[in-house]
Amino acid sequence: AQKITQTQPGMFVQEKEAVTLDCTYDTSDQSYGLFWYKQPSSGEMIFLIYQGSYDEQNATEGRYSLNFQKARKSANLVISASQLGDSAMYFCAMREPQTASNQFYFGTGTSLTVIP
Amino acid sequence: GAGVSQSPSNKVTEKGKDVELRCDPISGHTALYWYRQRLGQGLEFLIYFQGNSAPDKSGLPSDRFSAERTGESVSTLTIQRTQQEDSAVYLCASSLVRAAYNEQFFGPGTRLTVL
Repeated sequence: AQKITQTQPGMFVQEKEAVTLDCTYDTSDQSYGLFWYKQPSSGEMIFLIYQGSYDEQNATEGRYSLNFQKARKSANLVISASQLGDSAMYFCAMREPQTASNQFYFGTGTSLTVIP
Repeated sequence: GAGVSQSPSNKVTEKGKDVELRCDPISGHTALYWYRQRLGQGLEFLIYFQGNSAPDKSGLPSDRFSAERTGESVSTLTIQRTQQEDSAVYLCASSLVRAAYNEQFFGPGTRLTVL
C-alpha cells in the first residue's frame, strides 16, 4: 500500500484565489510527522509546513495551512491568495520516527499552475 | 550555516562508465538520504544513513548502485556501468536525528545524463 497518496497530478488556480492540494497517508504508528515541500522548476526542494500527529491545531505558515484530519488520515495543503510564484510541484511527505528505517515517504506530487 | 551541498551539479557521461556523486550534509545532521527523481516524476528513495548504524539500502534499484558515508560526514553515491535509464536528478537530503518534526533539508541535486 502507498504510504502517501496525492490524487491530483495537476491543478490550476486563478491568481489571488485559494487552492487545496490533497494528501492522504497510511500508517499504523501513533507518532508521525507530515510535511509539505514545494519544488519550483529550478528543482530545489523547499520545506513549507509541518504537522505532528499529536498536534491538535492545524499548522499554519503564512499563506500555507495544513488541514489535518487525523481520523481520515488526510493532510491537505491549503494555499490562500495564490501568487504566480506558487506555480510548482508540491510533494506531501510523512516521517515515521519509530520505525527502524526512519524514512521519509513522499507522494507522487501535484503540479500547481497559477493563472494570471 | 551552509546548507546541503552536492557536486557536481551536472554530470554527462557515456553509457557503461562509472560515476560518483557527492553530498555534504548540514553539520550535525546524523541522517542522510539519497533520492532519485526522473523527469516529471516524484522522489524515489534510494538509501538512508543514520549515524554509524547499518544503512537502509532497500531503495537501491540494482547492484550497480552503492553508497558510502563515513561517520556523519560526506556521502558518495556510486553508479557503476551507467545505463541510459539512470539519467535523472539525484537529490541528497539531511536531517537531525529521529524525531517526527525534523524536516529534511535538500541539496540542489546532481543532474545525471547518460548518453
